Amino acid sequence: EVQLLESGGGLVQPGGSLRLSCAASGFAFSSYALSWVRQAPGQGLEWVSGLSGSGASTYYAESVKGRFTISRDNSKNTVYLQMNSLRVEDTAIYYCARDDGDYAPRWWYFDLWGRGTLVTASS
Amino acid sequence: QSVLTQPSSVSGAPGQTVTISCTGSSSNIGAGYDVHWYQQLPGTAPKLLIYRNTNRPSGVPDRFSGSRSGTSASLAITGLQAEDEADFYCQSYDNNLIASVFGTGTKVTVL
Repeated sequence: EVQLLESGGGLVQPGGSLRLSCAASGFAFSSYALSWVRQAPGQGLEWVSGLSGSGASTYYAESVKGRFTISRDNSKNTVYLQMNSLRVEDTAIYYCARDDGDYAPRWWYFDLWGRGTLVTASS
Repeated sequence: QSVLTQPSSVSGAPGQTVTISCTGSSSNIGAGYDVHWYQQLPGTAPKLLIYRNTNRPSGVPDRFSGSRSGTSASLAITGLQAEDEADFYCQSYDNNLIASVFGTGTKVTVL
């Protein structure tokens, strides 16, 4: 079955760190760019970060640049999001989403989504 | 704040047509970047509804259609059904932000 499965969410204090994982199955993982998209409680969608199929090219929203790092291990069919210096405003459901190929970001749209993992940054 | 603006809500009776607008600027839709649309049913992940302005993925009913013109795009739902109640988001690329961007989202209510 073609799917994405996120894990690693939880409760963390502001200033803390968390690493999210997204395990893929059912498709040629390294042939697709992947992104993280988040949704704060009761709010809209926000693109957070993305990377190419090889992992050589990475991209970030201004709101997380310098704090979050995206990476992937194509031998494990997994993409990661290392989140440091977490803020209250980072509280959200984090979705892993697949582009329909391995193209530059201006062509990205997301044809496969995981169910999401909840990150709560609170004291 | 999103750079793509959508109405917060639209509503219609079963069988009617509703249209959702997505207004951008010269750095995103107006620059020629494609617009895509997603449907998010309550408590679920978003689902791709329209890609590259007008294309429907396999399995999406032809009651859903998209268009783009100038700095805006639109999603039309014809023959509105109860199961269409959801949040809808547009998405494009912005060359000032150098990032994918989503619209503010629109809640569709079937009366």
